[in-house]
Amino acid sequence: DIVMTQSPDSLSMSLGERATINCKSSQNVLYTSNNKNYLAWYQQKPGQPPKLLIYWASNRESGVPDRFSGSGSGTDFTLTISSLQAEDVAVYYCQQYYSSPLTFGGGTKVEIK
Amino acid sequence: QVQLQESGPGLVKPSETLSLTCTVSGGSISSSIYYWGWIRQPPGKGPEWIGSIDYSGNSYYISSLRSRVSISVDTSRNQFSLKLNSVTASDTAVYYCARTYGSGNKGRGFFDSWGQGTLVTISS
Repeated sequence: DIVMTQSPDSLSMSLGERATINCKSSQNVLYTSNNKNYLAWYQQKPGQPPKLLIYWASNRESGVPDRFSGSGSGTDFTLTISSLQAEDVAVYYCQQYYSSPLTFGGGTKVEIK
Repeated sequence: QVQLQESGPGLVKPSETLSLTCTVSGGSISSSIYYWGWIRQPPGKGPEWIGSIDYSGNSYYISSLRSRVSISVDTSRNQFSLKLNSVTASDTAVYYCARTYGSGNKGRGFFDSWGQGTLVTISS
């Protein structure tokens, strides 16, 4: 199974600051035949289901604010919130879909300082 | 806009069978580009994929649950269902159904639409 490791476990930033969340996979999730990274990011607010933010490592889902961006390739990935807003308080998860079983990272909790 | 809604008992006794149904509205479950999946999330923990199924009934499961789990699809009702037998307290979780944008075989993909989730507690 591919293990997804996120860091940090939690993040406390001021409004307007840049927040960076890291995700490392135990195996490569880049499929070389189509040059796509099989990696997604989700946002989960309390009492709600996870919401898809990013897929193929860097494609923003429709309706997601452009302050959210994804980058990285192979085994190392980053979710960046360019200017943290109050409504971004949530837990963020990465997920690989390169191989079965589909696996999630442990989550990063983002709070406002 | 597709919507998914889980239904089923919120309390199940140990050793019994957990049964949930997901009703899909606003879109057809018979699309070939999607899988239909179940994910669970124990209180305070991250999500865990349980398994997925396509419209023709091909199902895929996480190996740790394969001996206890079954997912089925009913295209006439636009529903898919989860059965997990011989449950224990460790199966207590919020259970989500989700649409999976298919990215290859074996149920692989990312989850682009989710139900609201239903808390299932295993207790006598």
